[in-house]
Amino acid sequence: GEDVEQSLFLSVREGDSSVINCTYTDSSSTYLYWYKQEPGAGLQLLTYIFSNMDMKQDQRLTVLLNKKDKHLSLRIADTQTGDSAIYFCAETITGSARQLTFGSGTQLTVLP
Amino acid sequence: ETGVTQTPRHLVMGMTNKKSLKCEQHLGHNAMYWYKQSAKKPLELMFVYNFKEQTENNSVPSRFSPECPNSSHLFLHLHTLQPEDSALYLCASSLDADSTEAFFGQGTRLTVV
Repeated sequence: GEDVEQSLFLSVREGDSSVINCTYTDSSSTYLYWYKQEPGAGLQLLTYIFSNMDMKQDQRLTVLLNKKDKHLSLRIADTQTGDSAIYFCAETITGSARQLTFGSGTQLTVLP
Repeated sequence: ETGVTQTPRHLVMGMTNKKSLKCEQHLGHNAMYWYKQSAKKPLELMFVYNFKEQTENNSVPSRFSPECPNSSHLFLHLHTLQPEDSALYLCASSLDADSTEAFFGQGTRLTVV
């Protein structure tokens, strides 16, 4: 079955880069997503990558996809305290939002 | 602000109560979803509605009853819940059920006592 795994916690210093990692099991995944959840809030779609890409950059965010190893990462450059949140990795085989499989989320804590 | 609004934000209910969660979106989307988020667990998809028709029910107990009167509104009716049903309930919407992007509401934090 489908499975998406993430580390539960990550702490970084303000100004450093953060790298949040995710592994998934289904090689048929077509889209892979990163969502951000701030305290008391819902999920905000940050970015997504199609499986035929290996990198996508959007301002401070860089997504790297290693399809061979089924490994997805989210790099946040110059991490700020406002980046403290839970980051969820998700994937879908069909490209359909109704078939998203989420990881358990990584709690990113940015230390001053 | 994603355009998906959920009310109430917090709800405490007894096991014998009946309550409803509400979700609305005015994004012009035709698909709406209910998810359950429990601590340290992945989000669980509960129900999918596409053009007001329920298209998925992921083995959700009947004490959870969804209702979608139109494409902009989605309800989750709750009755005789258990303490283990305490969780954050998230609503989401997308253009249709085959769309790539889903937009989430802020959730309703439900506590069953």
